[in-house]
Amino acid sequence: SQTIHQWPATLVQPVGSPLSLECTVEGTSNPNLYWYRQAAGRGLQLLFYSVGIGQISSEVPQNLSASRPQDRQFILSSKKLLLSDSGFYLCAWSNDRGRNQPQHFGDGTRLSIL
Amino acid sequence: AQSVTQLDSHVSVSEGTPVLLRCNYSSSYSPSLFWYVQHPNKGLQLLLKYTSAATLVKGINGFEAEFKKSETSFHLTKPSAHMSDAAEYFCVVSEMRGAQKLVFGQGTRLTINP
Repeated sequence: SQTIHQWPATLVQPVGSPLSLECTVEGTSNPNLYWYRQAAGRGLQLLFYSVGIGQISSEVPQNLSASRPQDRQFILSSKKLLLSDSGFYLCAWSNDRGRNQPQHFGDGTRLSIL
Repeated sequence: AQSVTQLDSHVSVSEGTPVLLRCNYSSSYSPSLFWYVQHPNKGLQLLLKYTSAATLVKGINGFEAEFKKSETSFHLTKPSAHMSDAAEYFCVVSEMRGAQKLVFGQGTRLTINP
């Protein structure tokens, strides 16, 4: 069966520090991968998605970047964090078989910027 | 473009009574629709999906949803609420733009009173 792992579960970082959040998927190949941010009391905002190694699409201009160095690894990064980067970050994957496929989510990373 | 409106930001019911969470969608073609549940500080779990087969869709934990094209609705119901159902619920429509993407409603917080 397929599983998705995100780490760390919680992270407290000072303003201006770098960031690296990692997400890995097991049990499937060539998945579509996604990074979302969920602000407190709000829905999910899609940040990045990837349909293959090295292929990254950005949905909104921001202080963050994403990379996909391996088929089942998706990394969210920042060189200098801002206060506004605080939030709950979720990674998800789906099969590459059209729009009927649901996305499957990790347990998220709670990021607090001080 | 697709969009989703969850008509209630907060629903409160007593344990053992029916649950109704309302969702209306907008789509330029036959949509794929999903309901997800999110417990505090957790990722999203798929409850059920509609993909143009049966209009009444049964999901996990006793939930079901009915697709009504004439009303552009996809309301989530459960005959008898349980304390463990307390969570945030998201109605989601799928679109294809380069990769399968999900458009999320703003969420409905379900509270269960003992």
